[in-house]
Amino acid sequence: SYDLTQPPSVSVSPGQTASITCSGDKLGSIYVSWYQQKPGQSPVLVIHQDTKRPSGIPERFSGSNSGNTATLTISGTQAMDEADYYCQAWDINTVTVVFGGGTKLTVL
Amino acid sequence: EVQLVESGGGLVQPGGSLRLSCAASGLTVSSNYMTWVRQAPGRGLQWVSLVDSDGRTYYTDSVKGRFTISRDNSKNTLYLQMNSLRAEDTAVFYCARIQRAGTTGYAFDIWGQGTMVTVSS
Repeated sequence: SYDLTQPPSVSVSPGQTASITCSGDKLGSIYVSWYQQKPGQSPVLVIHQDTKRPSGIPERFSGSNSGNTATLTISGTQAMDEADYYCQAWDINTVTVVFGGGTKLTVL
Repeated sequence: EVQLVESGGGLVQPGGSLRLSCAASGLTVSSNYMTWVRQAPGRGLQWVSLVDSDGRTYYTDSVKGRFTISRDNSKNTLYLQMNSLRAEDTAVFYCARIQRAGTTGYAFDIWGQGTMVTVSS
């Protein structure tokens, strides 16, 4: 099966840039989406097709995907961005959806 | 307003069955790819199943042969029939709409609020 690997946790100071990585074999050849989930809430799509922001998502959220690594970048991180973040991709070979294990972003 | 509302969760004994429902408003279930995702307590997101607009269904290995995804077009509702439930199926179950782009661009852009399933004796 296809695996996506994320760091369990990332810390960032308010106003600084946070980068969350997602690694997988030849990940750059398929689209990656990113979700934000706050405690007790449903996930929210923040990036799709590697780099696109849905309507209503702040411009400080951006994404990239190349080689074996996709990255979610949050510029000028705010306290409200503290949440769990998950990457997700479609495994063409097994025709299944794969999520990364999730990264807890702490803003301190 | 586009909305997905899940129901049907609850407490069930190991080996039992449960049917989850996901009522849609503002979108047509039959015209979209729809999916179920679960999250065990304190754990990450796990994809469970999806149905495409042609009615083809796909499942994660751990639920194949036990879970069945379906839809009722007249009720604009997605279902997940869960049989032979195990303790490890305990989770919040979310339904979501899939936004597609190309052959690999599957993004879950609309989510329901989730329904809790607890499998315990």
